[in-house]
Amino acid sequence: DVKVTQSSRYLVKRTGEKVFLECVQDMDHENMFWYRQDPGLGLRLIYFSYDVKMKEKGDIPEGYSVSREKKERFSLILESASTNQTSMYLCASRAFSYEQYFGPGTRLTVT
Amino acid sequence: DAKTTQPPSMDCAEGRAANLPCNHSTISGNEYVYWYRQIHSQGPQYIIHGLKNNETNEMASLIITEDRKSSTLILPHATLRDTAVYYCIVKDTNAGKSTFGDGTTLTVKP
Repeated sequence: DVKVTQSSRYLVKRTGEKVFLECVQDMDHENMFWYRQDPGLGLRLIYFSYDVKMKEKGDIPEGYSVSREKKERFSLILESASTNQTSMYLCASRAFSYEQYFGPGTRLTVT
Repeated sequence: DAKTTQPPSMDCAEGRAANLPCNHSTISGNEYVYWYRQIHSQGPQYIIHGLKNNETNEMASLIITEDRKSSTLILPHATLRDTAVYYCIVKDTNAGKSTFGDGTTLTVKP
């Protein structure tokens, strides 16, 4: 079975802190994605990566950056967390042209 | 990617078939129809996908109209555990990203 894991299920950070969200997949997938999910707004794509060291902006990249140094790991970085970044963050991975597999999500609260 | 339109919510009686519609009138020839669902507090889960032929797997059936402008996901015997938000997405399999809309909240009632 494909497994996508995220470093934390729940995270509480203070405004201005630097936040790292880690995602690891074990199926050698080329593509990895970071989404955020908010009530009434659905899933919104932040960034995605189609190869090591490659990244593309999604629909809402502002305030975020990403890192993909190894194929299995895709990190989402909040350089200076703000309260409007309180959300559920979902990571997904996908082989070249097939379905996405999602992690369990990280619920981030910025106070 | 083509935009999709789904009803915001639907109810279904337990044991009955749940038929979830999706409109994708601007779909292009190389775009597939994908369905995912998200049960509360979990990440989305892949269900099924298809190009133009109807598809069936252990979870559901996908019926795509001949003009490919709409599709229906069918859960043949809905259970309470099928209560979830169901997302219909159309995309080129070679495209990097998928755009998730608001989906349909399916509530299965006893």
